[in-house]
Amino acid sequence: NAGVTQTPKFQVLKTGQSMTLQCAQDMNHNSMYWYRQDPGMGLRLIYYSASEGTTDKGEVPNGYNVSRLNKREFSLRLESAAPSQTSVYFCASSHDRASNQPQHFGDGTRLSIL
Amino acid sequence: DAKTTQPNSMESNEEEPVHLPCNHSTISGTDYIHWYRQLPSQGPEYVIHGLTSNVNNRMASLAIAEDRKSSTLILHRATLRDAAVYYCILRDESGTYKYIFGTGTRLKVLA
Repeated sequence: NAGVTQTPKFQVLKTGQSMTLQCAQDMNHNSMYWYRQDPGMGLRLIYYSASEGTTDKGEVPNGYNVSRLNKREFSLRLESAAPSQTSVYFCASSHDRASNQPQHFGDGTRLSIL
Repeated sequence: DAKTTQPNSMESNEEEPVHLPCNHSTISGTDYIHWYRQLPSQGPEYVIHGLTSNVNNRMASLAIAEDRKSSTLILHRATLRDAAVYYCILRDESGTYKYIFGTGTRLKVLA
C-alpha cells in the first residue's frame, strides 16, 4: 500500500535555482493538495486540485506553480527558489473535497535553499 | 476562518487514557471536526472526524460538546507510539476547502 509517494525526500538548492517536487497517489483520489510546514507551525495550503484538470490557489501560493499531470500525479514547481521557501513540503490526496473526507499525506520533501 | 485552540503540550503515562481538548467556539453548523496526528519526520495521519455525535474507531474516540464549541480526542490506552503532535482541525467550507491547521498539542508518553 504505497498511498501518497513524494520525491525527492531531501533536496538542497541555491537561491535562484528551479525545482519540481513530485507527488503521486495510487488510491484513485480526485483531489490533491500541496502544503508547506515551517518549524513549530501547522501546515499551510499552497495549491490544490479539486479534480483532474483543475488547480486553485491556497493560502500561500506566491513563488509556486503546480501541474495536475493526470489523476495520479500533482507536481509543485519552484521557478526561482528563495531562502524563505526553505520548508517541509507535504502532498496529500482525498476522495473529493467534501468535508467528511479524510486527507492522506505523504512523508514530505525536506527542502533547504541556501 | 473558524479556528481551533489546543494546549501546546501534554504528558501521559503509558497505558493510561489521554484526553486531548480542543476549543472551536466559532465553528459553523456545517464544519466537520477532524483530528490528525503527526509523528516525527512523517506526514500527518488521519485519526478521526465527526460532526455532532460522538465517534469511535480503532484508533480513538471523539467526544463533541452539545454546543459543538469544543471537542475531546480520547486515546483509551496510550502507548509510546502515540507520542506525536495532535491537530484538531476544521474544514474551510468557503471555497478552498482547506484544512485550517493550528500548532497542535505535543503529546509526550512516559514509560
